[in-house]
Amino acid sequence: AQSVSQHNHHVILSEAASLELGCNYSYGGTVNLFWYVQYPGQHLQLLLKYFSGDPLVKGIKGFEAEFIKSKFSFNLRKPSVQWSDTAEYFCAVSPSGNTGKLIFGQGTTLQVKP
Amino acid sequence: ETGVTQSPTHLIKTRGQQVTLRCSSQSGHNTVSWYQQALGQGPQFIFQYYREEENGRGNFPPRFSGLQFPNYSSELNVNALELDDSALYLCASSSGLAGKETQYFGPGTRLLVL
Repeated sequence: AQSVSQHNHHVILSEAASLELGCNYSYGGTVNLFWYVQYPGQHLQLLLKYFSGDPLVKGIKGFEAEFIKSKFSFNLRKPSVQWSDTAEYFCAVSPSGNTGKLIFGQGTTLQVKP
Repeated sequence: ETGVTQSPTHLIKTRGQQVTLRCSSQSGHNTVSWYQQALGQGPQFIFQYYREEENGRGNFPPRFSGLQFPNYSSELNVNALELDDSALYLCASSSGLAGKETQYFGPGTRLLVL
């Protein structure tokens, strides 16, 4: 079955701490990988994406993610979080030919304390 | 701001009723996907429409149906509402099916079924 699993449901960090959110997926076939973010009161928006090539991808606001094919993982990282990073983070996969058929993980709520 | 709007923002219905949710995409976006997001969960893919034809469906029963119109608007219809249909319903649009389009999400419609 196709699925996405996010390791942490709720993460609390202090400002300037490093962040790593885990994501593993199960999918038969070639995939695209995504991290979406939902800031309080805002639309779901794309943070970064991987289609092919360099497995280390950089996104907006200093976020990056690494695709490790052998581990079916796509972990999100940021070296130093800010209070404004407080949000809900979703890992997602789609079949390689259609970014509109997304399978999402259950989400991780990140709370950054000032 | 993604240029994708949804109406209404909130809706309360009773079990057994029917509901229509609406989505207005950016001009030129001929692909729309609908998702159901239950409380505390990630969005689940309901179906996708491309050029007014259904282009794939997730694990949802036939009482979930949709329409897409030439003016870049679309509808999600749910018949015979059940309590478990209570959720946030999101639409996402993009400019085609070449495989690398960014999905732009709307703010969602929150449906409560009593």
